[in-house]
Amino acid sequence: DVKVTQSSRYLVKRTGEKVFLECVQDMDHENMFWYRQDPGLGLRLIYFSYDVKMKEKGDIPEGYSVSREKKERFSLILESASTNQTSMYLCASTKMSAYSNQPQHFGDGTRLSIL
Amino acid sequence: KNEVEQSPQNLTAQEGEFITINCSYSVGISALHWLQQHPGGGIVSLFMLSSGKKKHGRLIATINIQEKHSSLHITASHPRDSAVYICAVRSFTGANSKLTFGKGITLSVRP
Repeated sequence: DVKVTQSSRYLVKRTGEKVFLECVQDMDHENMFWYRQDPGLGLRLIYFSYDVKMKEKGDIPEGYSVSREKKERFSLILESASTNQTSMYLCASTKMSAYSNQPQHFGDGTRLSIL
Repeated sequence: KNEVEQSPQNLTAQEGEFITINCSYSVGISALHWLQQHPGGGIVSLFMLSSGKKKHGRLIATINIQEKHSSLHITASHPRDSAVYICAVRSFTGANSKLTFGKGITLSVRP
């Protein structure tokens, strides 16, 4: 089974701090995604990566950056955390295929609170 | 207007009832996903379909491409089915095309 592991389930940080959320997958997937999930808004894509050192902005990239130095690891960085970034963050991965649809595999999520 | 609409927004059922959750979308798609999220956060992929019908245990998913509509049915519902059910669609364009998500339906099944 595919395993997507997020480094923390719960995290509390202070305004202005630099925050790192880590995600690791063990199935050699090319594509990795970072989402945030807020009540009434559903899942929204922050960034995704389709290869090492490659990244693309999603729908809400402002205030975030990402890093993908190794294929299995995709990090989300909050450069200067703000209270409006309090949310549930979910990482996902999927195998790349031009010819068939592939399911996304999700981590358990990190509930981040910015005080 | 959101590209993916789910209805009803919240749903409460009695154990044993047959449940239907609906999803409508407005764009051309290559696949539609049904996801389940239990309290605590983790999301599990239930189905991925591009036509017809799929069944897994007590769950059945159907899609009508012409009407841009999908339904998720739960037969003989059980309290452990209580979760958020999310519909997501993948558009036609490109191997790396993104998923667009509905807001999810919160289902509570009472014993």
